[in-house]
Amino acid sequence: GQNIDQPTEMTATEGAIVQINCTYQTSGFNGLFWYQQHAGEAPTFLSYNVLDGLEEKGRFSSFLSRSKGYSYLLLKELQMKDSASYLCASTDSWGKLQFGAGTQVVVTP
Amino acid sequence: NAGVMQNPRHLVRRRGQEARLRCSPMKGHSHVYWYRQLPEEGLKFMVYLQKENIIDESGMPKERFSAEFPKEGPSILRIQQVVRGDSAAYFCASSRTGANSPLHFGNGTRLTVT
Repeated sequence: GQNIDQPTEMTATEGAIVQINCTYQTSGFNGLFWYQQHAGEAPTFLSYNVLDGLEEKGRFSSFLSRSKGYSYLLLKELQMKDSASYLCASTDSWGKLQFGAGTQVVVTP
Repeated sequence: NAGVMQNPRHLVRRRGQEARLRCSPMKGHSHVYWYRQLPEEGLKFMVYLQKENIIDESGMPKERFSAEFPKEGPSILRIQQVVRGDSAAYFCASSRTGANSPLHFGNGTRLTVT
């Protein structure tokens, strides 16, 4: 079966670090994407991992372990504008994304 | 370079009417994907198209829903005889090559069935 799990909600204070975990069991796995979605808006691309290891992009980093079916997104130096839903998605060889339900991150002052 | 354009942004239909949602992919993108998002839920894959071809429609309901991506013009998602349960946000995304390239999403069409 196809399954992508991530926590429903996480709360952190401004300036802190938050790590969003994602586990997946999908057929034809070809890589792992992270997207950010603000309420009422389109998802926007954050990061992509196809090989094991860490990808760093400014304040955001993403990690993948294919053998464990596990990824995380790390958000550093949190800002109020980072309050959003973060979507973990696996991709297949056609580029089709299968999304988890999303993790709502709430950043408090 | 314009992004993925979807219209209309909001669409209200009465039960039994037809809904047509349009999507123009980014310039140079020939792969189009449609997703549906219910309130407080994740994005659910519906259909993947390339020009004039449906590649994967495994997420499409068997009845009332159809999609096309003609040689000229936008991709169209068509819902016939809409019911209240069709109320959702419908997002279109495009990519240049399909595999290994990020999907770029449009702002979505919010369909409300009254």
